[in-house]
Amino acid sequence: AQTVTQSQPEMSVQEAETVTLSCTYDTSESDYYLFWYKQPPSRQMILVIRQEAYKQQNATENRFSVNFQKAAKSFSLKISDSQLGDAAMYFCAYRSTFNTGTASKLTFGTGTRLQVTL
Amino acid sequence: EAGVTQFPSHSVIEKGQTVTLRCDPISGHDNLYWYRRVMGKEIKFLLHFVKESKQDESGMPNNRFLAERTGGTYSTLKVQPAELEDSGVYFCASSPHGQVVGELFFGEGSRLTVL
Repeated sequence: AQTVTQSQPEMSVQEAETVTLSCTYDTSESDYYLFWYKQPPSRQMILVIRQEAYKQQNATENRFSVNFQKAAKSFSLKISDSQLGDAAMYFCAYRSTFNTGTASKLTFGTGTRLQVTL
Repeated sequence: EAGVTQFPSHSVIEKGQTVTLRCDPISGHDNLYWYRRVMGKEIKFLLHFVKESKQDESGMPNNRFLAERTGGTYSTLKVQPAELEDSGVYFCASSPHGQVVGELFFGEGSRLTVL
């Protein structure tokens, strides 16, 4: 079974600075998807960024980018030019490429709470 | 377009009582998922509906939990009788049919507190 580990329960960053949230995972599959989801306080969880394991290029979405190290099974999220609205709980998640049976579910980490200070 | 809605947002019940959580997915989304987060721990998968059929219920903790999705629209998750360890936030998510690498659209969650 796959597992996802987020070792940083809480992180803090100053506005306009850069912060990196770490995520490691364990799997025996060679192809899979990785995601970062964000849940602001009392709001819905939304997708921030996704990475397909067969793609070597790191995904980027505006101020959000990932550092995907497949051999190390590491998938960190970098937030550049942090804004107050980035304050949220961030969850790393894994999904198999198979789309049948039990494979379509997401496996989440425990989350990292990000605080953004002035 | 309305997002995924969940009701109630917070429920406080005593051990032994029954609670029913409801999820309305985005209209037209065939896939509906239930997840649960116990305080401080990871979000864990409970089950997956495709339309009205249970595709995967491997994450359901025990037979005190019953999920239904009548007519392939909204879904309910009933806990009967509730135990202390059932406390947590229950998330519902939906996605369209055939979306292989798709994002899940989550509701805000229903917080359940069992005293």
